[in-house]
Amino acid sequence: SAVISQKPSRDICQRGTSLTIQCQVDSQVTMMFWYRQQPGQSLTLIATANQGSEATYESGFVIDKFPISRPNLTFSTLTVSNMSPEDSSIYLCSALWREGNEQFFGPGTRLTVL
Amino acid sequence: GQNIDQPTEMTATEGAIVQINCTYQTSGFNGLFWYQQHAGEAPTFLSYNVLDGLEEKGRFSSFLSRSKGYSYLLLKELQMKDSASYLCAIMDSNYQLIWGAGTKLIIKP
Repeated sequence: SAVISQKPSRDICQRGTSLTIQCQVDSQVTMMFWYRQQPGQSLTLIATANQGSEATYESGFVIDKFPISRPNLTFSTLTVSNMSPEDSSIYLCSALWREGNEQFFGPGTRLTVL
Repeated sequence: GQNIDQPTEMTATEGAIVQINCTYQTSGFNGLFWYQQHAGEAPTFLSYNVLDGLEEKGRFSSFLSRSKGYSYLLLKELQMKDSASYLCAIMDSNYQLIWGAGTKLIIKP
């Protein structure tokens, strides 16, 4: 299985600030995704990170709030902008190897907004 | 529409066998995944089925029937560490995962 790392692993932030989460994969992948998971709930897809172009956002998520970059096949960032307590969640990076249809997750970033 | 159903919670005894069912209705199908997620941790990949039948991997097996829109995850020789949530997910035609709400499995001694 691939190694996916995320940083920071956790952070406590003040309302109105922004946090950028980094995701690094140890091999070239076909697709990268960003998910959010609220406590006790299943995963919600935020967007698909596209290499060299704008991310594809799911309903309810917009680029101004969650800007995403993917400069190459192994790295992506998600920024949570102008944070509010409702943004407190676990944010997960995921990578898909289409050849094997295997999708793995990073360890997650636990965000608390005060 | 797209819909994935799995039981909210199940309880089983250490050493026993448990079957977690998943039924689905999706507009596209590119395979079915099962993940294990311990509280506070990221999901861990367990299995992937794209053809009908049973895939066995140690104590865990996963079954798929595409015509019935049905899958199950079978866990044998249950251990206390198997207490976790088990997530069923369908990969659609755009290679995106559609997630079930998860089944919380409680193992009792």
